[in-house]
Amino acid sequence: EVQLVESGGGLVQPGGSLRLSCAASGFTFSNSEINWVRQAPGKGLEWISYIGSRESTTSYADSVKGRFTISRDNAKKSLYLQMDSLRAEDTAVYYCAKDADYGLISYFDYWGQGTLVTVS
Amino acid sequence: DIQMTQSPSSLSASVGDRVTITCRASQSINNYLNWYQHKPGKAPKLLIYGASSLHSGVPSRFSGSGFGTDFTLTISSLQPEDFANYYCQQSYSSPRTFGPGTKVDVK
Repeated sequence: EVQLVESGGGLVQPGGSLRLSCAASGFTFSNSEINWVRQAPGKGLEWISYIGSRESTTSYADSVKGRFTISRDNAKKSLYLQMDSLRAEDTAVYYCAKDADYGLISYFDYWGQGTLVTVS
Repeated sequence: DIQMTQSPSSLSASVGDRVTITCRASQSINNYLNWYQHKPGKAPKLLIYGASSLHSGVPSRFSGSGFGTDFTLTISSLQPEDFANYYCQQSYSSPRTFGPGTKVDVK
């Protein structure tokens, strides 16, 4: 069974930092591309970051570029999101989501239950 | 960035109803369109990918259609476990943007 379990959320002051983790199981993590997606209170889903299977490829939404850093440890089957210079608008539930594709069509086939980050 | 819109933003329905949700892209995305179901406090679930392909384990009452800029998600006979939020997402180009969501609640 595929499982993604996020942790590391909490309350942080504006300008502070937080590191989120996502522990993966049930699939070959080292071969998988993974994303972070967030949902602010009362809002929809927002993709914020992607990492390729070997960490050589990363991408970020403009809203977090330069402040957030995605990384992974394939030996530990874990994904991370280092969040610096946090702002009130970063308050959200953060999800990790496994990438999959069918030909050229990509989608997020499995998600974690999320971890809440509150910046206040 | 490609903008995604959904309609309606919310709808009230009864068990057994046929429900249709519409998603529109700001430019053509071929069939690079996915649908997700999300319940509060739970992990989002993939329903449909590639506009019309049913993800493994998803009940056949869910179906998707469309190409280009206009897409629909249909639930043929709404079940109690289907009351949730539904999001479309384009994977044609980065960033892979989501629609604002459609809330399906009990009439």
